[in-house]
Amino acid sequence: NAGVTQTPKFRVLKTGQSMTLLCAQDMNHEYMYWYRQDPGMGLRLIHYSVGEGTTAKGEVPDGYNVSRLKKQNFLLGLESAAPSQTSVYFCASSFDPDRGLDTEAFFGQGTRLTVV
Amino acid sequence: EDQVTQSPEALRLQEGESSSLNCSYTVSGLRGLFWYRQDPGKGPEFLFTLYSAGEEKEKERLKATLTKKESFLHITAPKPEDSATYLCAVMASGYSTLTFGKGTMLLVSP
Repeated sequence: NAGVTQTPKFRVLKTGQSMTLLCAQDMNHEYMYWYRQDPGMGLRLIHYSVGEGTTAKGEVPDGYNVSRLKKQNFLLGLESAAPSQTSVYFCASSFDPDRGLDTEAFFGQGTRLTVV
Repeated sequence: EDQVTQSPEALRLQEGESSSLNCSYTVSGLRGLFWYRQDPGKGPEFLFTLYSAGEEKEKERLKATLTKKESFLHITAPKPEDSATYLCAVMASGYSTLTFGKGTMLLVSP
């Protein structure tokens, strides 16, 4: 049981390049999230999804796009990377809080992205 | 707007020296308050969920408590392996996303 798996773990991009971060979960969770973590800023929500085929904006969505074509996968895309997007990115997943089950989110190990 | 403030930002303890971390929150209605532990270079690891004022949960040397305005994470007789950053987050009623505090970095020296 792998939980939440993120690929890649590290990446260096040049300004203007594009890339996609992949998140996969095997817990049959409905909800999936993308956060970024910066020193002194804490974890901030970029985008999230409440189910297959749905996405919604979080606190800091600009410069990012997401897709949820399959329930177990959530992709985060950077179309034209900027140095301000240098960060550690975390994916998380959880059950739908309205189902009355445990509501905690489970996190992946993170992707450290540097944009030069 | 939901707000979560954690204090202190950093805390250094000697092994066996008990202490508490604070998480103050402002939310329109609380659906749940969550505590996570994060080790360097790793993702946050879930510790506790608290749902209503007066609730308490324990796990080994950790005990989390909740009031209507704040939560405490009490660490009893800590060991060096308890060193980590502890994160607090809230989920507001009617919502399904978490708002995190900036964390408390705990260092326990032998």
